[in-house]
Amino acid sequence: QLQLQESGPGLVKPSETLSLSCSVSGDSMTSSSYSWAWIRQPPGKGLEWLGSQSYGASTYYNPSLKSRLTISVDASKNEFFLSLTSVTAADTAIYYCATDYNKGEFDHWGQGILVTVSS
Amino acid sequence: QSALTQPDSVSGSPGQSITITCTGTGSDVGGFNYVSWYQQLPDKAPKLIIYDVTSRPSGVSVRFSGSKSGNTASLTISGLQAEDEADYYCSSYRSYKTLVIFGEGTKLTVL
Repeated sequence: QLQLQESGPGLVKPSETLSLSCSVSGDSMTSSSYSWAWIRQPPGKGLEWLGSQSYGASTYYNPSLKSRLTISVDASKNEFFLSLTSVTAADTAIYYCATDYNKGEFDHWGQGILVTVSS
Repeated sequence: QSALTQPDSVSGSPGQSITITCTGTGSDVGGFNYVSWYQQLPDKAPKLIIYDVTSRPSGVSVRFSGSKSGNTASLTISGLQAEDEADYYCSSYRSYKTLVIFGEGTKLTVL
């Protein structure tokens, strides 16, 4: 059974870069057919897909964040990453990592990590 | 990009059936059979309960079912139970710009 766990700072200052990691256990990312995704949820609000990357294949980003967002994978460490630059208070959210089995079928989720953007 | 349209809230009594709708366009819900539904209990991560419009992951109750007509997908919960009280989100693959789009979310209250 796949398990995912987010990690990273819970507080980021405005204009700085938000960096998160997602550790994957229960399967090897190099042999998996999944894409690896990030999704966020502002407090009290709905879900927003940020982007997905298949190992060794293309990365897809939400156009509203594309200029600030990078998703990368280190399959040798069974981890994938999110980097969001120039953050503002609007980026305050719970950030989830998830597996994308097929075109938006998110079947495994991490527990989520709350990131607050504040000085 | 705008989210898929869901009702803000629905409610029902134990044992009843309820339906939550999710309306998109021909470029997402209407154009592909890649609609998923998620249940989010308070302070928990979302859980996949329906994928590919009508399929249920292993372990998900048969009381949850999905369907689609035109640009609108629906989630029906039959035999409503208190434990079903949660937020429900739909999502769809989209063919342009945004790869995946979520619905606004619907709060289900079991009376």
